[in-house]
Amino acid sequence: AQSVTQLDSQVPVFEEAPVELRCNYSSSVSVYLFWYVQYPNQGLQLLLKYLSGSTLVKGINGFEAEFNKSQTSFHLRKPSVHISDTAEYFCAVSLDSNYQLIWGAGTKLIIKP
Amino acid sequence: DAGVIQSPRHEVTEMGQEVTLRCKPISGHNSLFWYRQTMMRGLELLIYFNNNVPIDDSGMPEDRFSAKMPNASFSTLKIQPSEPRDSAVYFCASRWGGNNSPLHFGNGTRLTVT
Repeated sequence: AQSVTQLDSQVPVFEEAPVELRCNYSSSVSVYLFWYVQYPNQGLQLLLKYLSGSTLVKGINGFEAEFNKSQTSFHLRKPSVHISDTAEYFCAVSLDSNYQLIWGAGTKLIIKP
Repeated sequence: DAGVIQSPRHEVTEMGQEVTLRCKPISGHNSLFWYRQTMMRGLELLIYFNNNVPIDDSGMPEDRFSAKMPNASFSTLKIQPSEPRDSAVYFCASRWGGNNSPLHFGNGTRLTVT
């Protein structure tokens, strides 16, 4: 069965510092990978996705993620965070053969001024 | 593109009352999902529709929950009777295409059952 692990429930970071949010998945077959962001009192919105091809994927708001098949990881990075990046970030996995997305538990990004 | 529209944004009701949540997916999208989000359980898939047909309702917690999609532009999630443990944020999401397509979420309905 597929699963998604986001190891950190919260990540505090100072404004303008770099950040990495970790996501690991388990699957015996090829997967599609997504990062979503949820701002307070809003729905989730797509940050970026990996379907195939280049392992480095760029998304909105200066975020990027790297797919690492050998490590089964899809970590999200931003070189310099802003107070407006305060949100919860969800990693998700889907298969070609299944309509369901498997969700991680989410990581709250806390920006310290 | 107006996005996925959910109503109401907030609903406060008393235990035992019927609650109806509404969703208008993005025009042209062929799949619709209802999710529930709580602190304890995170995001839970309740039901999935494809081309207006319910494909998987195994996530619906009890018979008190029902969902319909009478046409491609409207879906409802009904809870009757409601209980305090149903308090959560309910999200509707839609997508076009296959399983490699992203979901588009509404802003949710925050339900409080007292």
